[in-house]
Amino acid sequence: KAGVTQTPRYLIKTRGQQVTLSCSPISGHRSVSWYQQTPGQGLQFLFEYFSETQRNKGNFPGRFSGRQFSNSRSEMNVSTLELGDSALYLCASSSGQGSDGYTFGSGTRLTVV
Amino acid sequence: AQSVTQLDSQVPVFEEAPVELRCNYSSSVSVYLFWYVQYPNQGLQLLLKYLSGSTLVKGINGFEAEFNKSQTSFHLRKPSVHISDTAEYFCAVSFSGGYNKLIFGAGTRLAVHP
Repeated sequence: KAGVTQTPRYLIKTRGQQVTLSCSPISGHRSVSWYQQTPGQGLQFLFEYFSETQRNKGNFPGRFSGRQFSNSRSEMNVSTLELGDSALYLCASSSGQGSDGYTFGSGTRLTVV
Repeated sequence: AQSVTQLDSQVPVFEEAPVELRCNYSSSVSVYLFWYVQYPNQGLQLLLKYLSGSTLVKGINGFEAEFNKSQTSFHLRKPSVHISDTAEYFCAVSFSGGYNKLIFGAGTRLAVHP
């Protein structure tokens, strides 16, 4: 069974630009969650999508958005990048039940300069 | 509000010694509990999870954890660590009946020395 695939692995962007990150979940999984990991704030929940609908959202500004396609692949977009957006962005795949394990991808390392 | 506290930010230990990484949680509803490990420049790998039933949970790589409801704790243990266990360990909770949302502790860096 293929794992969770996140692309790209590394990104360097300039302040003010926007960026799109991609996540392909495990085949058959309908839930995709996104997390931001920084040294200062740790791991923070961004949002979760299930069957193309956002079910849950964390406390992030509206510059952070996402979507999910009919094949369960998900994209996360950050507009008007700030230096503080530099982080490791992790995607987690699940069948959709809170009791399931969450399988994480290797992440996308975003650096904003 | 739900929260997770990992009581030690760093734990140094010698190879082949036992180790315990401590985790406490706060929640007004039933929770599911998880331990994840993160190696440098990697994502998170699930070590073990507690959903219900037996309070002693065994996971991969020889790790186990014990759920203690009265103390709201879920401590991770390994009887004999290896150099390869050096990594960051995260305790996390999600809510039974809730949607997929993990709340993580701040992490414990386990450093195994020869």
